[in-house]
Amino acid sequence: TQLLEQSPQFLSIQEGENLTVYCNSSSVFSSLQWYRQEPGEGPVLLVTVVTGGEVKKLKRLTFQFGDARKDSSLHITAAQPGDTGLYLCAADTGTASKLTFGTGTRLQVTL
Amino acid sequence: KAGVTQTPRYLIKTRGQQVTLSCSPISGHRSVSWYQQTPGQGLQFLFEYFSETQRNKGNFPGRFSGRQFSNSRSEMNVSTLELGDSALYLCASSWYGVENTGELFFGEGSRLTVL
Repeated sequence: TQLLEQSPQFLSIQEGENLTVYCNSSSVFSSLQWYRQEPGEGPVLLVTVVTGGEVKKLKRLTFQFGDARKDSSLHITAAQPGDTGLYLCAADTGTASKLTFGTGTRLQVTL
Repeated sequence: KAGVTQTPRYLIKTRGQQVTLSCSPISGHRSVSWYQQTPGQGLQFLFEYFSETQRNKGNFPGRFSGRQFSNSRSEMNVSTLELGDSALYLCASSWYGVENTGELFFGEGSRLTVL
């Protein structure tokens, strides 16, 4: 059983559309991170959210941490082909495996 | 500032062989973590080293091992390779260490194919 479930698994949209990616768990986290991984590259940190209910914006990307700190969402406005990649949420689960990554959402944005 | 460097980028091995992968962290970073990434299992934590000591270990068999040198460079070794070991192996370094959930800086990975 995955500790961090992401949905959807795959998303193919056209340029200009909006989308939301979800990261859910039954566990409470002290913080949660979102990474983006492009083909042939390692993941790159986009944002860290710490406070329940926190909302952070990064240009066209909006990240929200759930009030109970068990879930998070990533909303992209007016998607562009450069947003294509694998989006991963990650959290410190407090176990031996430490930073645990979600199952991932693969986004494809076409012209 | 140079990023995390992993070598080799690609390699092909046969079942039963062993492989050693290398990772040079960002200068000044003392924590190095290793992850295995496969399409089916996603990113899974292997182990983390800090100041030459293994601090955390994931749920992988003993065939997977690692070490860290005094200059923070790290190596991981997989012995008696199995087909299921085919994966992208990612190394990540951080300033504070995974325990503090600081940002992880990933390398481009070493893609291992086991035939």
